[in-house]
Amino acid sequence: KNQVEQSPQSLIILEGKNCTLQCNYTVSPFSNLRWYKQDTGRGPVSLTIMTFSENTKSNGRYTATLDADTKQSSLHITASQLSDSASYICVVSNRGSQGNLIFGKGTKLSVKP
Amino acid sequence: GAGVSQSPSNKVTEKGKDVELRCDPISGHTALYWYRQSLGQGLEFLIYFQGNSAPDKSGLPSDRFSAERTGGSVSTLTIQRTQQEDSAVYLCASSLAAVGGSIDYGYTFGSGTRLTVV
Repeated sequence: KNQVEQSPQSLIILEGKNCTLQCNYTVSPFSNLRWYKQDTGRGPVSLTIMTFSENTKSNGRYTATLDADTKQSSLHITASQLSDSASYICVVSNRGSQGNLIFGKGTKLSVKP
Repeated sequence: GAGVSQSPSNKVTEKGKDVELRCDPISGHTALYWYRQSLGQGLEFLIYFQGNSAPDKSGLPSDRFSAERTGGSVSTLTIQRTQQEDSAVYLCASSLAAVGGSIDYGYTFGSGTRLTVV
């Protein structure tokens, strides 16, 4: 069964600290993996997209890693800001099925001053 | 418009009533998706439109749910005889998707319609 599991479910950190969010997937065949940020009351916004051959990709203070062998990805946030408070969703695309994105349940991050 | 527009942003309806949710995709985007996000759950795929191809309806949870896309642009998701378990945020996304192509385009989401069935 195609699944995407994220951990932790929620996380509270102090402003300025770093954190790492985890994503494990069992999706086959694999096409790519995306990390989205979803602010409360808004739709998800893409942070990164990674294909099978990519190990790491950065977008400002966000760095995503992908290990296609172990089927794990992480999202590292550096020097967190209050505006980073949001849900972070890991999404895996099933190759050959344009309409099939498998979504994780997300990690709810709260950054406190 | 510059983004994906959904309306209404909030809808409260009585159990048993029909509702229509609207999505205006980004101009020129040929692919349009509907998802449902229930409290504490991940996004659930509902239906996918690509150009003039027959839509992928495999995610629709029951025959009370239907969707149309007129003229390859605006889409309407209709829920008939609403039930309390239909309460969720309904998200629409569009993409410059190529059917069967090897290029994966990004998806742009709307802000969603929060449906509450009382």
